[in-house]
Amino acid sequence: GENVEQHPSTLSVQEGDSAVIKCTYSDSASNYFPWYKQELGKRPQLIIDIRSNVGEKKDQRIAVTLNKTAKHFSLHITETQPEDSAVYFCAASTPLGGTSYGKLTFGQGTILTVHP
Amino acid sequence: DADVTQTPRNRITKTGKRIMLECSQTKGHDRMYWYRQDPGLGLRLIYYSFDVKDINKGEISDGYSVSRQAQAKFSLSLESAIPNQTALYFCATAPGTSGRGELFFGEGSRLTVL
Repeated sequence: GENVEQHPSTLSVQEGDSAVIKCTYSDSASNYFPWYKQELGKRPQLIIDIRSNVGEKKDQRIAVTLNKTAKHFSLHITETQPEDSAVYFCAASTPLGGTSYGKLTFGQGTILTVHP
Repeated sequence: DADVTQTPRNRITKTGKRIMLECSQTKGHDRMYWYRQDPGLGLRLIYYSFDVKDINKGEISDGYSVSRQAQAKFSLSLESAIPNQTALYFCATAPGTSGRGELFFGEGSRLTVL
């Protein structure tokens, strides 16, 4: 099955700095790569996603890049703010059930702390 | 707003007891999932269901069972709870073929097994 490795496990930055979280995946059939943010005591929520036919996607201060050949993808947060402090999870989806997505395998999570 | 609701939100039980965690959703989604969250291990898939008659094991199904009572209801059972099943459990839903792939999570059920 799919295996997703995420690094680093913890990341501490100063407000205004950039933060980068990296993930690798093992199954070349995976074709959908979302990122979830989980604030303390809350449920995970999708913040950005990318499909395997796209190399980069941006949404305001966050961006995701995908290298299919190397099987890795990254989350980039620019101009970090204290409210960006949370646990971030990457995931990879393998096709199932007649759709291009079906079963998400998550990375181990990164605890991001943004210091004012 | 359409949502995913989990009950109970917190439960403390003893080793050997049977426990059921319930999930109901008003999103009209076909696909439902149970994940377990442990610090440093991320979210691991226990079981998933693509419709009422479809049940599939995830990566850590041993010691767990599920029931899909209706499109909107998906329950997780621990037949004989053990301490290493202490964790935060999340139910999640997703649309079927019409969706983009996003999972919608419930608020979580924190289970402690003594």
